[in-house]
Amino acid sequence: KNQVEQSPQSLIILEGKNCTLQCNYTVSPFSNLRWYKQDTGRGPVSLTIMTFSENTKSNGRYTATLDADTKQSSLHITASQLSDSASYICVVSDRASGTYKYIFGTGTRLKVLA
Amino acid sequence: DGGITQSPKYLFRKEGQNVTLSCEQNLNHDAMYWYRQDPGQGLRLIYYSQIVNDFQKGDIAEGYSVSREKKESFPLTVTSAQKNPTAFYLCASSIPGEGGTDTQYFGPGTRLTVL
Repeated sequence: KNQVEQSPQSLIILEGKNCTLQCNYTVSPFSNLRWYKQDTGRGPVSLTIMTFSENTKSNGRYTATLDADTKQSSLHITASQLSDSASYICVVSDRASGTYKYIFGTGTRLKVLA
Repeated sequence: DGGITQSPKYLFRKEGQNVTLSCEQNLNHDAMYWYRQDPGQGLRLIYYSQIVNDFQKGDIAEGYSVSREKKESFPLTVTSAQKNPTAFYLCASSIPGEGGTDTQYFGPGTRLTVL
């Protein structure tokens, strides 16, 4: 069964600190992996997208890594800000029968404290 | 939230009533999607449409219906047959990207509460 698991479920850090969120998946065949940021009560917003051949992708203070061999990805947030408080969702796409299917993780809820 | 709008933001429904959630996009995207989000769960696909006048059931289509008469619009009807409709509903659209890198753009969501 195709699954995407994220850890930790929730995380609290102080403003200015770094943190790393984890995503493990069992999706096959793998097409690409995305990280989204979702503010409370809002729709998710794309942060990064990586295909099979990419190992790392940055978007400002957000850096995503991908190890397609171990089927693991991480999202590293540098110098956290209060506005980083949100849920971060890992989404993996597979491609079967010529169409793409998106499998969503349950998210990591990050709280940044002043 | 890009060029996708959803309305209303909050919706209350009595048991036994049908209700329609609106989703409009001005991004000229062919594909549109409806998801349901519940606490502690990942987004689950209800319906998707890859082109006008065509749509496919997702993983949890029972109790829902959609139409795609225009490229810009993909309304979702929550029928009385949906036993647990209280949830946060998200609409998304996408356009194919090279090597399968199409990115979904999400609307702001509609929170439906059944009283």
